[in-house]
Amino acid sequence: DAGVIQSPRHEVTEMGQEVTLRCKPISGHNSLFWYRQTMMRGLELLIYFNNNVPIDDSGMPEDRFSAKMPNASFSTLKIQPSEPRDSAVYFCASSMGQRSGNTIYFGEGSWLTVV
Amino acid sequence: AQSVTQPDIHITVSEGASLELRCNYSYGATPYLFWYVQSPGQGLQLLLKYFSGDTLVQGIKGFEAEFKRSQSSFNLRKPSVHWSDAAEYFCAVGADGGNEKLTFGTGTRLTIIP
Repeated sequence: DAGVIQSPRHEVTEMGQEVTLRCKPISGHNSLFWYRQTMMRGLELLIYFNNNVPIDDSGMPEDRFSAKMPNASFSTLKIQPSEPRDSAVYFCASSMGQRSGNTIYFGEGSWLTVV
Repeated sequence: AQSVTQPDIHITVSEGASLELRCNYSYGATPYLFWYVQSPGQGLQLLLKYFSGDTLVQGIKGFEAEFKRSQSSFNLRKPSVHWSDAAEYFCAVGADGGNEKLTFGTGTRLTIIP
C-alpha cells in the first residue's frame, strides 16, 4: 500500500513568497495531521483534521499559516508570506479515525528552506 | 496537559551491545504510549505502542518497551543493537477521550560504533 505522500520533498524559496505543501493521506484514513520539526522546537502539531474538518488548529503559529482539506484524499498547508524562521521539515500524517491510540503514519516530509 | 521527557539527547552504543532509551511521561489518566524511529532524511516509523494490558510490549526490529506506571516511564530496549539502528528515537504520549493528538519528546539520537 502507498503510504502518506507529500510534495514537494524539498523546496527553497525566497522570503515573502507563498509556499504550498501538499499531502495525500493513506486511503481509508480519515484523520490527518500536519507537524513541523525544527532543531529548536522538535516536533510540533500544527493542525489536525477529522473527516476533512479541522478539529484542532491551536498549533498553527500565526495567520500566515493556513491549512485546508477539501476532500478525504488531499490536504494543503500554505504559508503566505514565508519567512526564514519557517524553515523546517513539515510532516503530514494520517490515521484511521478519531479514536485514541490509532497508529499515526507519517509521510517522508517536505524540507522547506526560506532564504 | 500531557508531556514527554527524553532525558538523553545523544547515546552512543557499541554494535552488539544492549540498549535502553529512557522516556518519562506526564498524564493524569492511562496514557497511550508510542515509540517512533526516524532515520536521516526520512519520516517517522512506529516501533511499538502501548494501550493497556501486558506492560511489556514487543515491536518491530527486535525492540521492546516496558510501561511502568509507578515510575511514569516507558523505556525502549533492545538486547543487541545493529549498525542499522542508528537513528533518532522519539517517545510520544496520546490522551484518551477520542483525541488523537500525540505529544512527542525531544528525541534521542543513537550512534552505533563498531
